Amino acid sequence: DQQVKQNSPSLSVQEGRISILNCDYTNSMFDYFLWYKKYPAEGPTFLISISSIKDKNEDGRFTVFLNKSAKHLSLHIVPSQPGDSAVYFCAAIPGAQKLVFGQGTRLTINP
Amino acid sequence: EAEVAQSPRYKITEKSQAVAFWCDPISGHATLYWYRQILGQGPELLVQFQDESVVDDSQLPKDRFSAERLKGVDSTLKIQPAELGDSAMYLCASSTGRGLEQYFGPGTRLTVT
Repeated sequence: DQQVKQNSPSLSVQEGRISILNCDYTNSMFDYFLWYKKYPAEGPTFLISISSIKDKNEDGRFTVFLNKSAKHLSLHIVPSQPGDSAVYFCAAIPGAQKLVFGQGTRLTINP
Repeated sequence: EAEVAQSPRYKITEKSQAVAFWCDPISGHATLYWYRQILGQGPELLVQFQDESVVDDSQLPKDRFSAERLKGVDSTLKIQPAELGDSAMYLCASSTGRGLEQYFGPGTRLTVT
């Protein structure tokens, strides 16, 4: 049972444009949602999070939007830079600090 | 900047052999996690420690996997015997336990032949 789903395995965006990564979830008990970024041969690094009581959180070029009624969240990166090329994981916490990860989306930023 | 250390970075072993991975969390982090990431999937929690106690090992295949954190600091994950399906990246993470953010190590890439 995949509780957190990232349906796009890959995404290609031109440098300077907006990157939008999507994530859907099924468990309405999730309290927090997080995005992690992973480079090859490295562990995931925390990027940004959002509480279930909010619908938007912004940190520099990164903004996460949460639509609870649709059980959907998205990560917007504006403007996209070559260093943003990585695998992005959406993750959720059902109140007990046990992260549930999506499958990941490989983002490629083209010059 | 403090980091989570893991060793070895890469391990190739034959099936039915024993293999062990080591993790040293960020100093002062009480909570330690072991994850398994199969290619094309997200990390899946295997075991969670709070200090030296296991908090969650519901997804740990206990017939062949074991984990310990004897002094509540570093931790070892063991597989015996290894099977072909165990080929994956094994990630260790730590946190203070008071916040959301988990800090991941670089992982150990295991290949079972």
